[in-house]
Amino acid sequence: IAGITQAPTSQILAAGRRMTLRCTQDMRHNAMYWYRQDLGLGLRLIHYSNTAGTTGKGEVPDGYSVSRANTDDFPLTLASAVPSQTSVYFCASSDGRGYTFGSGTRLTVV
Amino acid sequence: AQSVTQPDIHITVSEGASLELRCNYSYGATPYLFWYVQSPGQGLQLLLKYFSGDTLVQGIKGFEAEFKRSQSSFNLRKPSVHWSDAAEYFCAVERGYSTLTFGKGTMLLVSP
Repeated sequence: IAGITQAPTSQILAAGRRMTLRCTQDMRHNAMYWYRQDLGLGLRLIHYSNTAGTTGKGEVPDGYSVSRANTDDFPLTLASAVPSQTSVYFCASSDGRGYTFGSGTRLTVV
Repeated sequence: AQSVTQPDIHITVSEGASLELRCNYSYGATPYLFWYVQSPGQGLQLLLKYFSGDTLVQGIKGFEAEFKRSQSSFNLRKPSVHWSDAAEYFCAVERGYSTLTFGKGTMLLVSP
């Protein structure tokens, strides 16, 4: 089934540790995105990539980095996790006509 | 800066009653507009979208939305709510460089 795969589904992480959230799509969409969802705040854009080899900062990029080495993969890295990064993270992709979202990664930083 | 406002944090509707969820945006040009629904612990499902043309848009699950340029609004409606519609609803606007800006969401509760 075409779509977006996110891994892991959930994770408990010690503060200060490094963590990479994985996102893979099989739809050959050019654009990909990372959002975080927090209660009462909706979804906020962390980073995006309009095409392989390019990335850009969203609304809340601090503490996160991304790379886009190829069309299919768009990993999100937390270099040194802090408790305020506890959230649900959604990866999405777009072909210019609509957006497809992954099922999310629930991350708890303790 | 563009923004999306969903003025109602929670709404309670009786099953079988009509529903309207409000969404206002601030954006210089006519944006692309979306409504998504999220059930607890789940991802986002697209209900409908507006790109251009007819301002009344039909979506899945019996939902519709009307784009009103003069009011900068894109309200979601359903004539008769079912208990399974209880969820959180997000309005979103596509920005100039093709990213989505979301409202903070409206939680719909359905009473028997």
